[in-house]
Amino acid sequence: NAGVTQTPKFQVLKTGQSMTLQCAQDMNHNSMYWYRQDPGMGLRLIYYSASEGTTDKGEVPNGYNVSRLNKREFSLRLESAAPSQTSVYFCASTLDWTGGYSGNTIYFGEGSWLTVV
Amino acid sequence: AQSVTQPDIHITVSEGASLELRCNYSYGATPYLFWYVQSPGQGLQLLLKYFSGDTLVQGIKGFEAEFKRSQSSFNLRKPSVHWSDAAEYFCAVGATSGTYKYIFGTGTRLKVLA
Repeated sequence: NAGVTQTPKFQVLKTGQSMTLQCAQDMNHNSMYWYRQDPGMGLRLIYYSASEGTTDKGEVPNGYNVSRLNKREFSLRLESAAPSQTSVYFCASTLDWTGGYSGNTIYFGEGSWLTVV
Repeated sequence: AQSVTQPDIHITVSEGASLELRCNYSYGATPYLFWYVQSPGQGLQLLLKYFSGDTLVQGIKGFEAEFKRSQSSFNLRKPSVHWSDAAEYFCAVGATSGTYKYIFGTGTRLKVLA
């Protein structure tokens, strides 16, 4: 009963380093999301994938890339990390592309704490 | 524009006391409304959601929320708070703003005094 699993849980990077956050869901969901959470700013959408084979930018995509590897997996890559990318990252999924508009529940992973020094 | 406002950043209550967390939304029609809870070091978990029908919605862990169209509010309540309810609570709207996303409030952090 894993739901949404993301790795790693914690990571410290030096400025300019790259890394990939991995995410997998086992609920046969079509749509997946990457959010970042910062104090006082709530959750902000970085990228989403409405269905396998598609990805689109969210509110704060700069400095990130994503790959929808298959229906289960959606990875987030930081090509050249910056201190402004220090944050908690959440992967999430919903049944289909209509998302919240049709009342789909969005399911979250447990988060990845990333510090860029 | 669609938006969600949680006016209280922090709330402190004593264990056993009642709780109300406020949420106001801006939306052109009746939206889907959600409340999520985030325990320390964890992801967000759905407490309850509303779209239509009875304006009082029951959720998990003894929480309920009331939709008031006239006030554009969807406040979360619990009659008696337990120490384990200490967490951050997020209100969200299921939006139609073109990116299939959910609009989250900035959260209310609840502290429970023993």
